[in-house]
Amino acid sequence: EPEVTQTPSHQVTQMGQEVILRCVPISNHLYFYWYRQILGQKVEFLVSFYNNEISEKSEIFDDQFSVERPDGSNFTLKIRSTKLEDSAMYFCASHRRDGGGNTQYFGPGTRLTVL
Amino acid sequence: SQQGEEDPQALSIQEGENATMNCSYKTSINNLQWYRQNSGRGLVHLILIRSNEREKHSGRLRVTLDTSKKSSSLLITASRAADTASYFCATDYSGANSKLTFGKGITLSVRP
Repeated sequence: EPEVTQTPSHQVTQMGQEVILRCVPISNHLYFYWYRQILGQKVEFLVSFYNNEISEKSEIFDDQFSVERPDGSNFTLKIRSTKLEDSAMYFCASHRRDGGGNTQYFGPGTRLTVL
Repeated sequence: SQQGEEDPQALSIQEGENATMNCSYKTSINNLQWYRQNSGRGLVHLILIRSNEREKHSGRLRVTLDTSKKSSSLLITASRAADTASYFCATDYSGANSKLTFGKGITLSVRP
């Protein structure tokens, strides 16, 4: 069964460094998302992406964040200058347009630790 | 803004018992979904119910939706130790290409 994959599974970085989190959505999906979950808290929406542009972004998704779909398969989240509070699990999700519903399929997540 | 809130926050039951988890939200929705998350792992989609549906079944899962009360319940029948996980409801409000708003989650422990 197709699934969303994410790499790396765990990323440790120093504060102020740039990180790129990678995702490979399900191949026939058209809508892509990033969410994050700070330890012990709820999952929060960051950004949605469709047709090679951002559809919607949350207040969390400030100028330090960017997303890109550099080729036909990868979907990346870049954090330019990481802060301690960026430490969280980052989930990629994808969704295909169908007759209704909005079932988003999530990847296993990347645990980002900022030291 | 819409927000899913589940209750109880933690539930501990014996294997074989049924587990009922509730979710409430604040604004009109298009769909409501339930996800499961094993400790430190990803989110697994369980079931989606649309705003014009009242009940849906999938295996041992039964989901109800009451849009007048802005609430949903997830029932897991004949629970197993492997059902131990956190369960989240998530809502969306504008159809395709819509962000999900998650609740805080319910931690279910099923004792063998």
